Amino acid sequence: AQSVSQHNHHVILSEAASLELGCNYSYGGTVNLFWYVQYPGQHLQLLLKYFSGDPLVKGIKGFEAEFIKSKFSFNLRKPSVQWSDTAEYFCAVTAYSSASKIIFGSGTRLSIRP
Amino acid sequence: DTGVSQDPRHKITKRGQNVTFRCDPISEHNRLYWYRQTLGQGPEFLTYFQNEAQLEKSRLLSDRFSAERPKGSFSTLEIQRTEQGDSAMYLCASRGGRGQGANEQFFGPGTRLTVL
Repeated sequence: AQSVSQHNHHVILSEAASLELGCNYSYGGTVNLFWYVQYPGQHLQLLLKYFSGDPLVKGIKGFEAEFIKSKFSFNLRKPSVQWSDTAEYFCAVTAYSSASKIIFGSGTRLSIRP
Repeated sequence: DTGVSQDPRHKITKRGQNVTFRCDPISEHNRLYWYRQTLGQGPEFLTYFQNEAQLEKSRLLSDRFSAERPKGSFSTLEIQRTEQGDSAMYLCASRGGRGQGANEQFFGPGTRLTVL
C-alpha cells in the first residue's frame, strides 16, 4: 500500500532562513509526487508536482523539490523563507497515470518568526 | 469564481442526526473526489467518481456514509446517524480528463462538520 511520511511535524524558522521539509513515500511502482500548501483559513493549493523528467521541480513562490528515486524521497526546499510562508505543508503521492486517490502525509506546520 | 465550491462551509449537528454536503466541481471536470481531514492529519481519501460512476470507496466510508453524483456534475455526501468521531473537515476535489492539469486535483474550501 502507498504511504507518505513527513518526519517534521512542526518547524519554526526566522525570516530569511533556508527551509527543507522531508518527505518519504512507500510505493513499488512509478509515482506522481506533489506538495500542497494550506495557508491559515484557506483551502489546499498545489505548490509543485513531479510526473517525469527533471527530478528537480520548481513551483510557485520560490519553492522547489527534488525527487530522489533511490531514496524514495521528495524533499521541499526554499532558500529564504518569508513570514507569509507560514502554513501547513503536505507531501502527497499517487500512482503514475492513475486517476485514483492521492495519499497525503500528515503534514508539517511551518511557523516563521518575523 | 470557477474553482471547486462546497456548501455549507460549516455544519454543527447533534449526534444521531443526518447531514448532507454538496460539492460543485470545476466545470467539465469529469473526476470528483471526497476526502476527510481531521486535526493534525493530512486529508484521507473517501471516494471517487468518474462522471456519475462511483469507481472507488475507502474502507473509511462506513455504511452510514453515502455519496452520489447523479448527473456527473455536482456531488453530495450524506452521513446518517452522525457520531462525534465524524467531526472533521470534508474536502472535495475535481480533476479534468485531458490536457494541461489533467493529473492535478483541485480542492475546494471544505465543509467543517462538528458533531455535538
